[in-house]
Amino acid sequence: SQQGEEDPQALSIQEGENATMNCSYKTSINNLQWYRQNSGRGLVHLILIRSNEREKHSGRLRVTLDTSKKSSSLLITASRAADTASYFCATEGGSNYKLTFGKGTLLTVNP
Amino acid sequence: EAQVTQNPRYLITVTGKKLTVTCSQNMNHEYMSWYRQDPGLGLRQIYYSMNVEVTDKGDVPEGYKVSRKEKRNFPLILESPSPNQTSLYFCASRGEARTAEAFFGQGTRLTVV
Repeated sequence: SQQGEEDPQALSIQEGENATMNCSYKTSINNLQWYRQNSGRGLVHLILIRSNEREKHSGRLRVTLDTSKKSSSLLITASRAADTASYFCATEGGSNYKLTFGKGTLLTVNP
Repeated sequence: EAQVTQNPRYLITVTGKKLTVTCSQNMNHEYMSWYRQDPGLGLRQIYYSMNVEVTDKGDVPEGYKVSRKEKRNFPLILESPSPNQTSLYFCASRGEARTAEAFFGQGTRLTVV
């Protein structure tokens, strides 16, 4: 069953603008992770935030987690054309340590 | 270089002809899994393995088999492929399961005609 749901499904912005993607989930989690996928290629891990953390930064990435609302957001600042990709949130929880992925947000950054 | 290697990258086969997609990781990870990715459905877990000789079904295991005889290898077997198994397949591995990021292979694009 799908756990995370990203919003929006697609986002188109100009280079230099900020991009915000949201993820909602349904059950309790141990951590939430964000991944990036360039067209048809393998997913690459971006950042992990644990359930007891509220915010995390990595370079131009900022992730927030609100466990009371069961939601997370990924902010990419000062976007570049090379940031064009699909972005997925994945939740980890339960006894089998499974990562459950959402359907992704397709981000297009126009030069 | 730490990596997960899948082979083949592309495969076209006919209905009913058994095939195996190999997956190998060089990070000594205990946890490995297979996903399929389909348009509009995202990534769905097929099977996973928490260690050697320990495998279990994911969300969409029907029509697939796996084995984990060695820590580094986790092949995906389609005994009798059908057209609805046409998809993009990913193998992934993780170290300390609860907190670790997943490392993904480059994917295998399978077409069953």
